[in-house]
Amino acid sequence: DGGITQSPKYLFRKEGQNVTLSCEQNLNHDAMYWYRQDPGQGLRLIYYSQIVNDFQKGDIAEGYSVSREKKESFPLTVTSAQKNPTAFYLCASTPSGGAPDTQYFGPGTRLTVL
Amino acid sequence: SQQGEEDPQALSIQEGENATMNCSYKTSINNLQWYRQNSGRGLVHLILIRSNEREKHSGRLRVTLDTSKKSSSLLITASRAADTASYFCATSGNTPLVFGKGTRLSVIA
Repeated sequence: DGGITQSPKYLFRKEGQNVTLSCEQNLNHDAMYWYRQDPGQGLRLIYYSQIVNDFQKGDIAEGYSVSREKKESFPLTVTSAQKNPTAFYLCASTPSGGAPDTQYFGPGTRLTVL
Repeated sequence: SQQGEEDPQALSIQEGENATMNCSYKTSINNLQWYRQNSGRGLVHLILIRSNEREKHSGRLRVTLDTSKKSSSLLITASRAADTASYFCATSGNTPLVFGKGTRLSVIA
């Protein structure tokens, strides 16, 4: 089956800890994206990567970091610098990093800071 | 920077009725897309309409685009309880997609 997987589905973190969210795709897509969604809100772009070994900041990159060492993988680290990290995190991909086309989304990871 | 703004924020209708959601945006676009999100899940792409198109259909979905008014509408005909979800518009220009805050649709059986 082709698609995007995110793990874990639920994640709990203590204040002051870094945590890494996984996103993997086997669609052979070039571009990958991370979004944050708060209750009753739309999606806000954190980081995106149009090609391996390259990534760009989105609208709310502060307190987050990413890497893109492999085409299939785009992990997101939520650092202790992120003041309010409790949210629903969504990963997406598109076939190319050119003109934005249909995005394919993973099932999401719900992060709760205790 | 959220460009798309959906209206209404919430909509409740009876099964079998039509549901109309609107999206307004601010700057010029290449295309506009509509997505659906069931509670606690990822988004699913519904339909894409390009800036040179005025109307598009897909099954029970009808999307219109008016670039002069910078607005789009999504019509779901003969709604079903399974259509209950949040619906988002997303606009693309020269940057990654920008999503609105969504319309929460409840279809009552």
